[in-house]
Amino acid sequence: SQTIHQWPATLVQPVGSPLSLECTVEGTSNPNLYWYRQAAGRGLQLLFYSVGIGQISSEVPQNLSASRPQDRQFILSSKKLLLSDSGFYLCAWNPGTGQYEQYFGPGTRLTVT
Amino acid sequence: QKEVEQNSGPLSVPEGAIASLNCTYSDRGSQSFFWYRQYSGKSPELIMSIYSNGDKEDGRFTAQLNKASQYVSLLIRDSQPSDSATYLCAVKGRTGGFKTIFGAGTRLFVKA
Repeated sequence: SQTIHQWPATLVQPVGSPLSLECTVEGTSNPNLYWYRQAAGRGLQLLFYSVGIGQISSEVPQNLSASRPQDRQFILSSKKLLLSDSGFYLCAWNPGTGQYEQYFGPGTRLTVT
Repeated sequence: QKEVEQNSGPLSVPEGAIASLNCTYSDRGSQSFFWYRQYSGKSPELIMSIYSNGDKEDGRFTAQLNKASQYVSLLIRDSQPSDSATYLCAVKGRTGGFKTIFGAGTRLFVKA
C-alpha cells in the first residue's frame, strides 16, 4: 500500500529564516506530487505541483520554491520566511495515469514569529 | 464566481439525522468530483469519488452528481458526533492537467 510522509510535523521559525519541508511517498512510482498551504480557517491553496523529477509548476508567485530531486521526494523551500508564510502545509500525491484522486500527508504546521 | 463553491456553515444536525452538504462548480466540462473530510488540525481524507450523473453509495455516505445543474452533494445518513468535521468538495476540471480545485469547505457539527 502507499504511504506519504511529511516532516517535520510542527515548526516555529523566526521571520527571515530559511525553510525546508520534505515529503516522501512510498509504494508507488512516478506519482504526481502537490504542495498546498491552508491558512487558519481557510481553504486549500495550491502552491506547486510536479508530474515528474525536476518538473515543477508554480501556482502562486511568492517567496517559496519547490524541488523534486527524486521520483518520490518533494521539497518545499524558502530563503527568507515572512509572517504571512504561517500555515498548515500539506503534501499530496496522486497516481497520475488518468486518476485524479489526491491523497494527503499528515501536514506540517508552520508558525513564523 | 469561485470555481468551486460551498456553504461555509456551520451546518448543525442532531445525531441520527441526515446531513446534506452541497457544492457547485463553474466548469461545465468537469470530469471528476471528490469529497474529503478534514478533522480539526488534521489533513484531508478522501471519502468519496464520483464521475457519472446519479448517486453513488458507500456505507452511510451517498454522493450525488448532476452535471447539467453543475452541483455535487454528499449525504451522510445516521449522522454521528464523529462525523463532525469540515467537508471539502474538489473538482477536476476539463483543463488544468492534474490540478484539482478545492472548495473552502463546509463545517458540520453533529449534536449528541
